[in-house]
Amino acid sequence: GENVEQHPSTLSVQEGDSAVIKCTYSDSASNYFPWYKQELGKGPQLIIDIRSNVGEKKDQRIAVTLNKTAKHFSLHITETQPEDSAVYFCAASKAAGNKLTFGGGTRVLVKP
Amino acid sequence: GAVVSQHPSRVICKSGTSVKIECRSLDFQATTMFWYRQFPKQSLMLMATSNEGSKATYEQGVEKDKFLINHASLTLSTLTVTSAHPEDSSFYICSAIPTQGFGGYTFGSGTRLTVV
Repeated sequence: GENVEQHPSTLSVQEGDSAVIKCTYSDSASNYFPWYKQELGKGPQLIIDIRSNVGEKKDQRIAVTLNKTAKHFSLHITETQPEDSAVYFCAASKAAGNKLTFGGGTRVLVKP
Repeated sequence: GAVVSQHPSRVICKSGTSVKIECRSLDFQATTMFWYRQFPKQSLMLMATSNEGSKATYEQGVEKDKFLINHASLTLSTLTVTSAHPEDSSFYICSAIPTQGFGGYTFGSGTRLTVV
């Protein structure tokens, strides 16, 4: 089955700096890659997603890039703010609507 | 936007009893819902895929007789933890996708189960 690896497991950045989280996946048939933000005691919230027919997608301070050949995708957060502090998860599925496989998560701390 | 309501948010039960968790899609119909389990500081692990009107599909290693899933309508799926033990204590999260028009997976707010 699909295996998703996520790095780093923890990331500490200064407010205003950028944060980058990287994920690799094993199943070349995967074609939907969402990113979620999870705050303590809450369910994950979708922040951005990308499908395999697109190499990059941006939404304000957040961007995701996808390299299908290398089977990896990355989350970029620019101009980080303290409220960006949370756990971020990448995920992959073979089709939109199929089961998701999650990465191990990255705990991001933005220091003011 | 799509909203999934999960109840209860917290529950404490005694060993040996059963606990039911509800997952409702409030503003869309969901033929398919997913149930996850999350231990502290760990990732989400898929337990089962719930399909309206049919049996759930359980992931390898998940006991179907212990974690009963019922998806009786297009807006409600329930997870019942039967004969709960302390090792069942965890954070349980559901997600749903719309029957028509995929717009992403919407997650519930989770249920913190503590078995004493």
